[in-house]
Amino acid sequence: QVQLQESGPGLVKPSQTLSLTCTVSGGSISRGSYYWSWIRQPAGKGLEWIGRIYTSGSTNYNPSLKSRVTISVDTSKNRFSLRLSSVTAADTAVYFCAREISSGFDYWGQGTLVTVSS
Amino acid sequence: DIVMTQSPDSLAVSLGERATINCKSSQTVLYSPNNKNYLAWYQQKPGEPPKMLIYWASTRESGVPDRFSGSGSGTDFTLTISSLQAEDVAVYYCQQHYGTPRTFGQGTKVEIK
Repeated sequence: QVQLQESGPGLVKPSQTLSLTCTVSGGSISRGSYYWSWIRQPAGKGLEWIGRIYTSGSTNYNPSLKSRVTISVDTSKNRFSLRLSSVTAADTAVYFCAREISSGFDYWGQGTLVTVSS
Repeated sequence: DIVMTQSPDSLAVSLGERATINCKSSQTVLYSPNNKNYLAWYQQKPGEPPKMLIYWASTRESGVPDRFSGSGSGTDFTLTISSLQAEDVAVYYCQQHYGTPRTFGQGTKVEIK
């Protein structure tokens, strides 16, 4: 059973960089035809796809965030990471990591709340 | 971007009654070479991550009760809960994975009347 777990600071100051890691257990991140994604959800609102990385290292980002987002993978530690620069209060949200297969997002982390505040 | 629009935003249904949620995409999500609709439905309960219910528009994920069904093709899709149970109270999202960026509908909140 694949499990994903987000980790990182819960509070980030405005203009700084948000950094989160998603650790994958129950399977190798580099095995199979999977994309590893980040999705966020502001309180009481809907889901916004941030971007994804393939096991080869190729990435796709949401154009609305592309200039500020970097997703990377560390296969030796079976994890992938998100960096979002120049954050503002609008970036306050629950951040989920998820595995994407050909039919959609089949495994999700529990989510981690990141608050942007001074 | 493919815009996903759900209707209604919320609905209240009596226990045992049918709940119907609609989802419309701004362009087709039907991939002609394999005749698959790249459309999934998710259920999200408070404090939990979304859970995939339906993929390829009409295929139930393993373990999902058969009261959940999906239908539609091209740009118009429906999620039906045939007999609403108390545990079905949640927000439901449709999502397209035909193109990037991946996009979700705004969500439909289902409550008990």
